[in-house]
Amino acid sequence: EAGVTQSPTHLIKTRGQQATLRCSPISGHTSVYWYQQALGLGLQFLLWYDEGEERNRGNFPPRFSGRQFPNYSSELNVNALELEDSALYLCASSSATSGSMDEQFFGPGTRLTVL
Amino acid sequence: RKEVEQDPGPFNVPEGATVAFNCTYSNSASQSFFWYRQDCRKEPKLLMSVYSSGNEDGRFTAQLNRASQYISLLIRDSKLSDSATYLCVVRTGRRALTFGSGTRLQVQP
Repeated sequence: EAGVTQSPTHLIKTRGQQATLRCSPISGHTSVYWYQQALGLGLQFLLWYDEGEERNRGNFPPRFSGRQFPNYSSELNVNALELEDSALYLCASSSATSGSMDEQFFGPGTRLTVL
Repeated sequence: RKEVEQDPGPFNVPEGATVAFNCTYSNSASQSFFWYRQDCRKEPKLLMSVYSSGNEDGRFTAQLNRASQYISLLIRDSKLSDSATYLCVVRTGRRALTFGSGTRLQVQP
């Protein structure tokens, strides 16, 4: 069974540009989560999508946005890139949204570098 | 105060040693608790869930103390392959997971 996939693996942008990151969850998983992991820092929760809707959002500015498609894949868009947006962006998927002890499976991440 | 706090380490231990990590969480309404493992420049992977009664998986034992709001992970007979960053993770209600910043373990030969 294929795991969570993310593309691209690496992305280099300049300040002010927009970045689009993509994630495909494990087959059968309806929830997709996005996290930011800056160098030396822990994972910071960005966004949670389930069944095409945004369920929760972390403490990030509105220029971080995303969506989930009918096939449950997801996009993360970062507008007006700033240098401090350079980080590893991790996508995770899970199969339950009830708040029970569901495991999140992570993709390999997209490393975004803003110059 | 961070929602989930961990000692960043590093913990440098010899092979065969027993090592314990603690983690504290601030939200008493937290319901689900996990330990994830993250190898250098890799994605996090679930190591084990943490139950109120405590649970064991081979050399790994996890404990939860709700009264004190802390979670522990005990690793017995450390192997070189246990070297990684261990992330304490908490879920509160329907919110997404909250990760601690991790404790780095280095097992030395």
